[in-house]
Amino acid sequence: AQSVTQPDIHITVSEGASLELRCNYSYGATPYLFWYVQSPGQGLQLLLKYFSGDTLVQGIKGFEAEFKRSQSSFNLRKPSVHWSDAAEYFCAVGVRSDFGNEKLTFGTGTRLTIIP
Amino acid sequence: DARVTQTPRHKVTEMGQEVTMRCQPILGHNTVFWYRQTMMQGLELLAYFRNRAPLDDSGMPKDRFSAEMPDATLATLKIQPSEPRDSAVYFCASGFNLGTEHYEQYFGPGTRLTVT
Repeated sequence: AQSVTQPDIHITVSEGASLELRCNYSYGATPYLFWYVQSPGQGLQLLLKYFSGDTLVQGIKGFEAEFKRSQSSFNLRKPSVHWSDAAEYFCAVGVRSDFGNEKLTFGTGTRLTIIP
Repeated sequence: DARVTQTPRHKVTEMGQEVTMRCQPILGHNTVFWYRQTMMQGLELLAYFRNRAPLDDSGMPKDRFSAEMPDATLATLKIQPSEPRDSAVYFCASGFNLGTEHYEQYFGPGTRLTVT
């Protein structure tokens, strides 16, 4: 069965510093990969997605992610974080279910704290 | 700005009571998902519908939970009777087929349920 691992439960970064959030997946075929962000008390917002093609994908809010098949990874990056980026970040893999449709399996999330 | 709406946003109830949560998917979306989020289990998929038909409810405790889509603009999740262990945030998400069967899911703000 598919799985997603986000090894960092909590990361603290200074405002203006660069950020990388790790995501590793386990799936037997080509995965469809997503990053979502959840602000406190809010639902999840899609940051970016990878389906096929260019392995470096750009998302909203200045985020990007790179799919590395050899490492089974889909790490999220941002060159310079802003205080408003403080939130919980979820990596997810979409897989074909027995019903022929995509289901999402989420990682456990990484909580990002920004310090001045 | 189309978005998924959920009501109520907060619900406090006593054990044994019936709870109904409602979701209005984004107009034109043909797939609706129900998730539960807890600290211990993270995000779990409970059930999902495509074109109002239930496709997979394997993640849902069927003895007390039920999910329906009476029409294309309304999805409901019911718990009867509710138990303290049902306390969680319940998210609805809707999606649409991109033509390649790879869904993007758009999340609602969630219903925070507390069962005492």
